[in-house]
Amino acid sequence: DQQVKQNSPSLSVQEGRISILNCDYTNSMFDYFLWYKKYPAEGPTFLISISSIKDKNEDGRFTVFLNKSAKHLSLHIVPSQPGDSAVYFCAASGNTDKLIFGTGTRLQVFP
Amino acid sequence: NAGVTQTPKFRILKIGQSMTLQCTQDMNHNYMYWYRQDPGMGLKLIYYSVGAGITDKGEVPNGYNVSRSTTEDFPLRLELAAPSQTSVYFCASSYSRQGQTEAFFGQGTRLTVV
Repeated sequence: DQQVKQNSPSLSVQEGRISILNCDYTNSMFDYFLWYKKYPAEGPTFLISISSIKDKNEDGRFTVFLNKSAKHLSLHIVPSQPGDSAVYFCAASGNTDKLIFGTGTRLQVFP
Repeated sequence: NAGVTQTPKFRILKIGQSMTLQCTQDMNHNYMYWYRQDPGMGLKLIYYSVGAGITDKGEVPNGYNVSRSTTEDFPLRLELAAPSQTSVYFCASSYSRQGQTEAFFGQGTRLTVV
């Protein structure tokens, strides 16, 4: 049972435009959500997070929105840059030591 | 500051062989994790540790063993390698519980079992 779902395997966006990556979860006990970015042949790197007491968190060009009633979160990148081309993983945790990852969305930003 | 270091980067094993994937971190983190990533899939937690001497199973622990004798090191042991263990393995560490703080990942070990 996939508790964290990223239904879009890939996304292609023009440089300068907005990229929106989506993530859905099923476990209502999740209370902390993170986004990681991964380049080929490298390990994932932390990007941004949000706790369930918030509905928005912003860090520079990156904003994460959380809709608890819909069990949905999204990552907005504005403006998108070619260096943002990577695989983005959504991850969620509840009151445990475990982090559950989604399957990832490959973002390609073209000139 | 090296962060999280994994060795080897690549390895080919024959079915039935054993090996140890090494992971060390120099950030004095209590929490350490082993994940595997199969093509087109997310990261699956194999084992984790909340401190030296303490380990626990993750989502996919079968066929693996771990130990945590020091804060720095968290080796992953594969006994009797099987083709289903072909994957990319990532070690990670964090200051506190991974869901509440960012984790730092190593570069990964690409393992092929033939």
